[in-house]
Amino acid sequence: DIQMTQSPSTLSASVGDRVAITCRASQTISDWLAWYQQKPGKAPKLLIYKVSSLESGVPSRFSGSGSGTEFTLTISSLQPDDFATYYCQQYKSYSRTFGQGTKLEIK
Amino acid sequence: QVQLVESGGDLVKPGGSLRLSCAASGFIFSDSYMTWIRQAPGKGLEWVSYISGSSDNTNYADSVKGRFTISRDNTKNSLYLQMNSLRAEDTAVYYCARMGTFDVWGQGTMVTVSS
Repeated sequence: DIQMTQSPSTLSASVGDRVAITCRASQTISDWLAWYQQKPGKAPKLLIYKVSSLESGVPSRFSGSGSGTEFTLTISSLQPDDFATYYCQQYKSYSRTFGQGTKLEIK
Repeated sequence: QVQLVESGGDLVKPGGSLRLSCAASGFIFSDSYMTWIRQAPGKGLEWVSYISGSSDNTNYADSVKGRFTISRDNTKNSLYLQMNSLRAEDTAVYYCARMGTFDVWGQGTMVTVSS
């Protein structure tokens, strides 16, 4: 199985900050990488697919980059609504493994 | 609008069985691979199983293989997860989602396995 490792596990930041979350795959996954946002008590929401394609309706302050085994989700200027948990996911293999999550907290 | 609604979650004893359902609307269900994902309390997301539109292709996480069965009824726009030999570690919120990328999710249904 392909393992996905996110860092950091927790990130404290302020409104207006630029933040980045990293996701590393245990083997190359080409560009089969998605990012999700989850708020407490809610289902995850797709933000980005195929490394850098923004899902419809997602603000442009979210962006994705990377290739092979190293990927990054960047939020250019944090808004109050962005404080949540973020997950990466590979969909190269049939077992669609997720990263362990990064909780973005208000500093 | 595009929507998925899960049901069937409950409190069940270890070794028991449960069947979850997911009702789809707003898209061509039979054209879509569908999947189940779960999230244990306070934990991350775990992919559980997927099924192709025609039901000829299914796959399972190792943690549920041999105990869970995914199925669908395209005439009813419904997805199912039959869960047998349930264990305490199966306690989680179970979500259904549309595959490709998981672009549409249900609200989740809680399964608690406890004596």
